[in-house]
Amino acid sequence: KAGVTQTPRYLIKTRGQQVTLSCSPISGHRSVSWYQQTPGQGLQFLFEYFSETQRNKGNFPGRFSGRQFSNSRSEMNVSTLELGDSALYLCASSIRSENTEAFFGQGTRLTVV
Amino acid sequence: GQQLNQSPQSMFIQEGEDVSMNCTSSSIFNTWLWYKQDPGEGPVLLIALYKAGELTSNGRLTAQFGITRKDSFLNISASIPSDVGIYFCAGPTIRGAQKLVFGQGTRLTINP
Repeated sequence: KAGVTQTPRYLIKTRGQQVTLSCSPISGHRSVSWYQQTPGQGLQFLFEYFSETQRNKGNFPGRFSGRQFSNSRSEMNVSTLELGDSALYLCASSIRSENTEAFFGQGTRLTVV
Repeated sequence: GQQLNQSPQSMFIQEGEDVSMNCTSSSIFNTWLWYKQDPGEGPVLLIALYKAGELTSNGRLTAQFGITRKDSFLNISASIPSDVGIYFCAGPTIRGAQKLVFGQGTRLTINP
C-alpha cells in the first residue's frame, strides 16, 4: 500500500508570491491534516479535512487555506508569502477523523527568499 | 491551549544502552501517539495507545499510556545506530478529531 505522497518535495519562492502544496493520502483514508514544522515552533496544526469539509483549523492567518477533493486528495495554499513561512509542511492521513493513527508524508520543504 | 512537555530534550547514549523518555500534559488525552523523525523526512508512527494503563510493544520499543491519562512513556531497549533521530509524542486536542498537538521532541544521539 502506498504511503502519503506530498509534492513537490522542495520549493523556493519569493516574498509576496503564493504557493500550492499537494497531498495524496493513503488509499482508503478520508481524513487529511496539514502541519507546519519549524525549528522554533515545532510541529503546529494548520487544518484538517474530512469528506471535503474543513473540520478543524489551527491558529494561522487567513493566508493559509486548503481544500480536499472527492478522491480525498488535498491541497494547501499560502498567499502573500512571508519569510517566516519558510518551513517543512507535512500532510498526515487517517482512516477517519477521530481517535486514530495519523500517517505522515515526507513533507514539502518551502523556502521563502 | 493544550501542551505536551517532553523530556529529556536530548540524550547521548552508547550503543546497546536502553533509552527512556516521557511526555506529560496538564490535560487528559484519550490517545497517545509516538513518532520518530529522521532529518528531512516526515514523522513515522511507532506506537499508538488508546487505553489508560495500556502497554504496547513494537520490536525493541515499548510505550505505556499513563493511568492518569496525562502522561505516556517510551522505552527503547538495546539501542542501535538506526535509532538515532528525534522522537515525538502527540495526542488529539479535541475528542473525536484529528487535530494533534506535539511535544517538543527528544533528540537521540548514539555514540558508537
